[in-house]
Amino acid sequence: DVQLVESGGGLIQPGGCLRLSCVASGFTFNNYEMGWVRQAPGKGLEWVSDILGSGSTMWYADSVKGRFTISRDNGKNTVSLQMNSLRVEDTAIYYCARAIRTYSQAFDIWGQGTMVTVSS
Amino acid sequence: EIVMTQSPATLSVSPGERDTLSCRASQSVSSNLAWYQQKPGQAPRLLIYGASTRATGIPARFSGSGSGTDFTLTISSLQSEDSAVYYCQQYDKWPLTFGQGTKLEIK
Repeated sequence: DVQLVESGGGLIQPGGCLRLSCVASGFTFNNYEMGWVRQAPGKGLEWVSDILGSGSTMWYADSVKGRFTISRDNGKNTVSLQMNSLRVEDTAIYYCARAIRTYSQAFDIWGQGTMVTVSS
Repeated sequence: EIVMTQSPATLSVSPGERDTLSCRASQSVSSNLAWYQQKPGQAPRLLIYGASTRATGIPARFSGSGSGTDFTLTISSLQSEDSAVYYCQQYDKWPLTFGQGTKLEIK
């Protein structure tokens, strides 16, 4: 089965750091662009970041640029999101998702999400 | 940033009816438009990409159309399990952006 499983969420104070991970299975991971999409409680979807299959190019939403870093380890079928200088407004469910093909960021496979709560 | 605007915000329809959801982009996104369905407590599910191509396993009662700035998602013969929030998303230009969603309720 094609699957994405996120981990690493939790409760963190403002200004703190957290690293999310997403492990992929059931497909050739390095062939696919991967992304992170978040959803604040009761709100809509917000794209966060994307990374090419090779890991050579990354893109970020302005709201997280300079604070979040996306990376991948194709040997471990894992994509990660390092989140620094966290703010209350970063509170959300973070989903890992697979782009249907490179440079076509319709996301056809999603993980179950991991909740990040930023609060003092 | 391309702003995606969906209408209506909420919709209540009866089973068996046909329904059309709209999505408008603030500038042309060509056919780089996707539709998702999200049920409570679940991750989004891709329905349509390329404005009109059904994703794998999506029933034929879901269809998409449009190009440029105006897009529609049509659900024919609505069923109770279609109750969900529907989002459009453009992937023509960075940053990727989603519409605010249309909540579809089945009476």
